[in-house]
Amino acid sequence: EDQVTQSPEALRLQEGESSSLNCSYTVSGLRGLFWYRQDPGKGPEFLFTLYSAGEEKEKERLKATLTKKESFLHITAPKPEDSATYLCAVPPYNQGGKLIFGQGTELSVKP
Amino acid sequence: DAGVIQSPRHEVTEMGQEVTLRCKPISGHNSLFWYRQTMMRGLELLIYFNNNVPIDDSGMPEDRFSAKMPNASFSTLKIQPSEPRDSAVYFCASSLLRDTSATNEKLFFGSGTQLSVL
Repeated sequence: EDQVTQSPEALRLQEGESSSLNCSYTVSGLRGLFWYRQDPGKGPEFLFTLYSAGEEKEKERLKATLTKKESFLHITAPKPEDSATYLCAVPPYNQGGKLIFGQGTELSVKP
Repeated sequence: DAGVIQSPRHEVTEMGQEVTLRCKPISGHNSLFWYRQTMMRGLELLIYFNNNVPIDDSGMPEDRFSAKMPNASFSTLKIQPSEPRDSAVYFCASSLLRDTSATNEKLFFGSGTQLSVL
């Protein structure tokens, strides 16, 4: 069964304290892995798409990487405005258009 | 563009009542998705449409749920009768999908409807 698991469930950091979020997936024939950011009271907002192992994408303090079994979202010198829930998602095997989301990691960055 | 627009933002109703959630997708997008988010189950796909046609409704929990897309700019999700376990945040999302076998490149979500069934 296609599955996405994120860890940790919650992460508390001090401003400037770098860390990483993990997204493990099991899906046949990966056709992309997606990262979204969700702020309280809002819908998820697209961040990155990764398609192949070894690929990396960067946006400000965020860098997403992909291996054959997992993806990491590295946060370098985070700021309080990076506080949000980060979701990863994959398309299930042979079901175009759909995305399976992980449970998310709730990140809190304190000043 | 105003983005995906959902209404109402909040809905409080009593068990047994009919609830209708509304969504206006981004103009030009050909696919529309209804998701439900709860603490226990996370973000779950209920149904999605492509070119106004329902493609996959395998996530619709039961016959009490129904969704329609009468035209490219409007969709509804109806729950009748509603139950307390339906309480959740319901999101509508839209995208431009090349075809129904293609990978969805990017979903644009609305702000959601917070539904509380008492």
